[in-house]
Parts: sequence; C-alpha cells; structure tokens
Amino acid sequence: GAGVSQTPSNKVTEKGKYVELRCDPISGHTALYWYRQSLGQGPEFLIYFQGTGAADDSGLPNDRFFAVRPEGSVSTLKIQRTERGDSAVYLCASSLNPGRNRPNEQFFGPGTRLTVL
Amino acid sequence: RKEVEQDPGPFNVPEGATVAFNCTYSNSASQSFFWYRQDCRKEPKLLMSVYSSGNEDGRFTAQLNRASQYISLLIRDSKLSDSATYLCVVYSGTYKYIFGTGTRLKVLA
Repeated sequence: GAGVSQTPSNKVTEKGKYVELRCDPISGHTALYWYRQSLGQGPEFLIYFQGTGAADDSGLPNDRFFAVRPEGSVSTLKIQRTERGDSAVYLCASSLNPGRNRPNEQFFGPGTRLTVL
Repeated sequence: RKEVEQDPGPFNVPEGATVAFNCTYSNSASQSFFWYRQDCRKEPKLLMSVYSSGNEDGRFTAQLNRASQYISLLIRDSKLSDSATYLCVVYSGTYKYIFGTGTRLKVLA
C-alpha cells in the first residue's frame, strides 16, 4: 500500500513569507508526528496528533509554527514570517495508535526540504 | 545533558569488520528503544526495536543495559550497503519519540 507522502518535496521561499507543508499519512494511522531535521542532527520532535487533536505541541519552537489535522488524516504544518533559521527538512511520520508503554513503528515520509533565503 | 546521546562518528570500517555503537539516555523511566537507519537525504526507517534484554536480527544485534542507561547496536560482517546513519530512538511513554543525533557509518571496500 501507499506510504506516507509529503508535498512539496522542496520549497524555497524568502524571509518573511508564509509556507504550508502537507503530510498524507498511511490510511488508518491515527497517530501523526511532525519533526524537523537540520544537517548533522537527528529528527527533532515538533508536534503529535492523535486523530484530529494536537495531543502534544511542546516541540513547536514558537508561535510562528502551527499545525492542523482537521479530518484526522492529512495534516498541514504552517510557518508564518519564515526566518533563515527555519531552513531544514521537515519530516512527517504516522503510526497506529501508540499505547503509553506500547509504541508502534513510525513510518516516515520523504520530507520537505525548506530553504529560506 | 541531552535526553539521548550518540557519538556522531563517522566510524570508518573495512568490509567484513564488526562495529558497535552505543547510545545513552537520561530518562530512567524510558521503556522502549529503537534503532533507525537513515540513508543520505532519505527518511529514517526502522531497523530494530529493543524491548527487554535485547534482540538479534541476522547480522544485527541490539542490547539494552538499564542499569547504565544505554543501548547498543552491533553489526557483524559489515557490508558496503550498511553505510548510513544509525539513529537511536527512545520512547518516553508520553507518546513522544526522542531521537539521538545519529552515528555515521562508512564501510570501506
């Protein structure tokens, strides 16, 4: 079956602009995660959705970042007033519903490479 | 102190060698651990889960030492295709997966 898809694969924007990054998870996966990965670093947690609600958004760096998942499937990560420091690969992952001590395998999308000039 | 720490490497080893990576974690209440593999400019993919005392999958062995709060990954008979970054991941139990910075492995012909 289809894996996690993300669009666009690359996005180049100018400082101060608004961008939207889209994630289409695996069908039936209720858990959805957004991560940010900078060069030479591991993925950094941003936000976790369980269904339509953001169960944990503690990783969002500031209020310029916002994410939604209105129908419990596709999610959009929105970044306002982009800064050069926002340049990174934004990864989305989905999984079956994780239990408190029973995590499930995360499946990652190919990522969106964001470059802010 | 970072929640999950790894030696970034790179580890340069000849084909056929045995190589081991360690990963330390700070939260003693962590229950579940994973190794993911990430190829250059690709997404991470699950390599192995590490649940109780460790497990083996072919040439790969993962072990957990709860007393010292580290997990390890051992790769035997290294292949050129093993060249990648290996990410240590700790599941905190609050639905959050914490990734290490990754350890780069280069297997040389």
